[in-house]
Amino acid sequence: NAGVMQNPRHLVRRRGQEARLRCSPMKGHSHVYWYRQLPEEGLKFMVYLQKENIIDESGMPKERFSAEFPKEGPSILRIQQVVRGDSAAYFCASSPTDTNQPQHFGDGTRLSIL
Amino acid sequence: DAKTTQPPSMDCAEGRAANLPCNHSTISGNEYVYWYRQIHSQGPQYIIHGLKNNETNEMASLIITEDRKSSTLILPHATLRDTAVYYCIGRSGSARQLTFGSGTQLTVLP
Repeated sequence: NAGVMQNPRHLVRRRGQEARLRCSPMKGHSHVYWYRQLPEEGLKFMVYLQKENIIDESGMPKERFSAEFPKEGPSILRIQQVVRGDSAAYFCASSPTDTNQPQHFGDGTRLSIL
Repeated sequence: DAKTTQPPSMDCAEGRAANLPCNHSTISGNEYVYWYRQIHSQGPQYIIHGLKNNETNEMASLIITEDRKSSTLILPHATLRDTAVYYCIGRSGSARQLTFGSGTQLTVLP
């Protein structure tokens, strides 16, 4: 009964490179959420997706960040031309529906920018 | 979603009950109270949620006051592994995201 799987657990990139973070939701879950936790801060919502659709990206920075959840395969959070301020823990959560069902989180990807 | 207020930190002796309070005086009628915890460097872990009735599961109990302006999460027999930051979150049925505040750092002491 696998939980939400995120990989890689740790990712190091140099400024200007691209970072790709992957999230496989729990079995039976078709709703995926991405959150970011900056050092010494709380989690902040970024984007909510269903299969092949972005439902709410109100928390996503307007530039350099994108997310997808294709029909087959994991959800991907992509950060282009990374900067030092992108260093954070990125958490993915999933739920079976979007109403009054708890979201279950993965253990995150820790992104470090050199 | 309702703004929640929690004490920044609490201590509890191992084996005793840990009672974590949360104020949510602006909660609306369709907003659920969710509790999550985050153990250092791990992802948030769902604990329990409720609307107006008290709830209990294998991890904890949730007591919601009759006016719904506050609630208490009860860990009946705290262990050292329960040391974590505990988040109380108000969430309406139409809200997709969870809004995390600062939470309560619970330290279970041996």
